[in-house]
Amino acid sequence: GIQVEQSPPDLILQEGANSTLRCNFSDSVNNLQWFHQNPWGQLINLFYIPSGTKQNGRLSATTVATERYSLLYISSSQTTDSGVYFCAVERPYAGGTSYGKLTFGQGTILTVHP
Amino acid sequence: KAGVTQTPRYLIKTRGQQVTLSCSPISGHRSVSWYQQTPGQGLQFLFEYFSETQRNKGNFPGRFSGRQFSNSRSEMNVSTLELGDSALYLCASSLLGTGRKAFFGQGTRLTVV
Repeated sequence: GIQVEQSPPDLILQEGANSTLRCNFSDSVNNLQWFHQNPWGQLINLFYIPSGTKQNGRLSATTVATERYSLLYISSSQTTDSGVYFCAVERPYAGGTSYGKLTFGQGTILTVHP
Repeated sequence: KAGVTQTPRYLIKTRGQQVTLSCSPISGHRSVSWYQQTPGQGLQFLFEYFSETQRNKGNFPGRFSGRQFSNSRSEMNVSTLELGDSALYLCASSLLGTGRKAFFGQGTRLTVV
């Protein structure tokens, strides 16, 4: 199956710093999402970005599908940005084995200190 | 628009028992997927249902099963619970189940003792 690797595994920042999280994937995808998992376990949608660039406030994301990677940028980080960030991908239709199946990376644990 | 609702939020069960978890998707969404999250294995896909049919299944034993009702609500069942089944179970709702944004519920945290 498709492999998803996220880096770095851990990131510690001071409030106000900027950061870049990376997601590499091993095959073509028709769906790529970035999530933030809150302390209660819920996965919060950040971006749906199978290709291109999007921005939402202090967060932005870029996916270069031809080179099989995506980047999540967090600017002017705040303590509330702390948590685990996941990248998840879905392969194009492959005889039914892709339906509803997101493959997740192992996540990046972000800690922002005041 | 209401989000994805999972019940219950927390469960404690004894080895050998069975458990049923529920997921109500976003109104109009017909696809529901289930995931298991553990510290060791991360987030792993269990199965996906669309219009009451299971379309895809991950690599889990037959003790894990699910179903979907005509209103798109889904349940998953785990029989003969093992200690290793302790995990956060998340369900995701999407319009079609492929190539679309997925929205997750808050999860059910299952502890098997």
